Amino acid sequence: DAGVIQSPRHEVTEMGQEVTLRCKPISGHDYLFWYRQTMMRGLELLIYFNNNVPIDDSGMPEDRFSAKMPNASFSTLKIQPSEPRDSAVYFCASRRQGRTYGYTFGSGTRLTVV
Amino acid sequence: SQQGEEDPQALSIQEGENATMNCSYKTSINNLQWYRQNSGRGLVHLILIRSNEREKHSGRLRVTLDTSKKSSSLLITASRAADTASYFCATDGQAGGTSYGKLTFGQGTILTVHP
Repeated sequence: DAGVIQSPRHEVTEMGQEVTLRCKPISGHDYLFWYRQTMMRGLELLIYFNNNVPIDDSGMPEDRFSAKMPNASFSTLKIQPSEPRDSAVYFCASRRQGRTYGYTFGSGTRLTVV
Repeated sequence: SQQGEEDPQALSIQEGENATMNCSYKTSINNLQWYRQNSGRGLVHLILIRSNEREKHSGRLRVTLDTSKKSSSLLITASRAADTASYFCATDGQAGGTSYGKLTFGQGTILTVHP
């Protein structure tokens, strides 16, 4: 299995532009999570899905952030418009149904908004 | 605020020594997990311990859990230079709680193992 695949690995964009981050979870995993990592705030859960349905989006910072999971093999996290404070590493993770499984993380997307 | 808080924030040891990292948390949990992150990479799941377990082993890793003190420790024995990384504890909340079904991470311990 190729693991959780995220794209792009790096993204540099100008303030105000739209940014779309992509994630392909592991086949057969029922849960998908989006996390953001910064030095100041550590790892923060933004949103998670179960069987493609958003369950908890309480961590999404504001309306500029949106996430979708149109099918079991693909999810996007969109920021529109982007701001410099959105600069961070964004991770996608997936896991199987059941509470005894750990998460498998992707390699992350390093976003820089200038 | 973070659910898990690791201690120490940074740890520097020589190869062959043991490394112990501690984690404290605030609310009731279903399980506690430890992850490793190499610089510039994603997190890798190391070990999961359920709330009804007290100790668990995996290779050179030993994890303990004390639910009465809301704390856990990760011991890496006979450390190697390749163990250099950040280590995070993460809690999976108990059913009925606000953190149920999702992992909340601590700030991590940066471990440096000198050859």
